Amino acid sequence: GQNIDQPTEMTATEGAIVQINCTYQTSGFNGLFWYQQHAGEAPTFLSYNVLDGLEEKGRFSSFLSRSKGYSYLLLKELQMKDSASYLCAAASGGSYIPTFGRGTSLIVHP
Amino acid sequence: SQTIHQWPATLVQPVGSPLSLECTVEGTSNPNLYWYRQAAGRGLQLLFYSVGIGQISSEVPQNLSASRPQDRQFILSSKKLLLSDSGFYLCAWSVWGRARTEAFFGQGTRLTVV
Repeated sequence: GQNIDQPTEMTATEGAIVQINCTYQTSGFNGLFWYQQHAGEAPTFLSYNVLDGLEEKGRFSSFLSRSKGYSYLLLKELQMKDSASYLCAAASGGSYIPTFGRGTSLIVHP
Repeated sequence: SQTIHQWPATLVQPVGSPLSLECTVEGTSNPNLYWYRQAAGRGLQLLFYSVGIGQISSEVPQNLSASRPQDRQFILSSKKLLLSDSGFYLCAWSVWGRARTEAFFGQGTRLTVV
């Protein structure tokens, strides 16, 4: 089966940097997704990593280590609007099915 | 560009009534399609996925069924809703390739069974 772990809640200050970690155990690993979900809304796609290393997209970066079963999402220059739940999902199997963690609730305060 | 439509946005249904939620994708062909459910304060639970017309795989035993009558249409149904079926239902599609791999969600349907 698959197992995805990420912290339940994190807090950070506006303008700071925060790193949200995710560890996974899955067979037939096909990549790691990160999503942002604001309360009451559908998740929005942030990133997909399948190779080891860091990928940067503006203020958001995502890192993957396949050998360690580990990923993180790095958010720079935090803004109040970044307060949301961040979902980590590992894709696996021939059908590339994303299995989601419970999400990390990030609270950004002034 | 690809878009995904899911409706209705909210739904209140009595226990024992039927359910039909529809999801359509535009701008792509032969997508992988998924139905997820998110209960309050819980993670996303995969209910069904489909890799092609008429091909449905169920991940958990439940009071629900899914169908894919057309390439870009995915329907979630129930003959008789239970209180425990309440939740936020999300349709998603994915595209996989060397140049681009992404998976997008529809707006979701918030179902309340009363």
